[in-house]
Amino acid sequence: NAGVTQTPKFRILKIGQSMTLQCTQDMNHNYMYWYRQDPGMGLKLIYYSVGAGITDKGEVPNGYNVSRSTTEDFPLRLELAAPSQTSVYFCASSYGTANYGYTFGSGTRLTVV
Amino acid sequence: QQQVKQSPQSLIVQKGGISIINCAYENTAFDYFPWYQQFPGKGPALLIAIRPDVSEKKEGRFTISFNKSAKQFSLHIMDSQPGDSATYFCAASFGNEKLTFGTGTRLTIIP
Repeated sequence: NAGVTQTPKFRILKIGQSMTLQCTQDMNHNYMYWYRQDPGMGLKLIYYSVGAGITDKGEVPNGYNVSRSTTEDFPLRLELAAPSQTSVYFCASSYGTANYGYTFGSGTRLTVV
Repeated sequence: QQQVKQSPQSLIVQKGGISIINCAYENTAFDYFPWYQQFPGKGPALLIAIRPDVSEKKEGRFTISFNKSAKQFSLHIMDSQPGDSATYFCAASFGNEKLTFGTGTRLTIIP
């Protein structure tokens, strides 16, 4: 059982470039989330989705976009990368709401130079 | 706006000792309080969780203590082992909404 799979694991971007962070889950979870983790700042919610076709902003959505065309996939798009987007990005999913527990992927470490 | 405050930022405990991590929250509507454990290079994983109708929950060497009046909850790790070395996050949610995480505590258990 793969769980939540994130690709790539590492990436270096130049300022102004764009990229998509991929996230796929094989647990048929309805809820999916994107977090960024910065040292001493914990996990900040970027976007989340409660089902295919439904997305909503989290705490720090600026500079990012998401889509949810299928239950399995929840890609995160960075347009015009900036140094402030240097971070570790985690995708997570849950069967239902927070009370069911989140399953996290292993993360994507992104550096913008 | 920091709705869940976690301390300390880092903690060093001797093997066999008790590790204690504290969290305080502001929103009295929060009704679910989990702790997540994260090893280097991995995503966080659910460790233990509590609801405000009980004051304590224990699973093996891990215990959550909850003080509703003080709006505080803490994680206690008894007989701490080197394998417990990780980053720990407290979190909270209300009304089955998404989690709000604390800032994390890096725990190191030394021999």
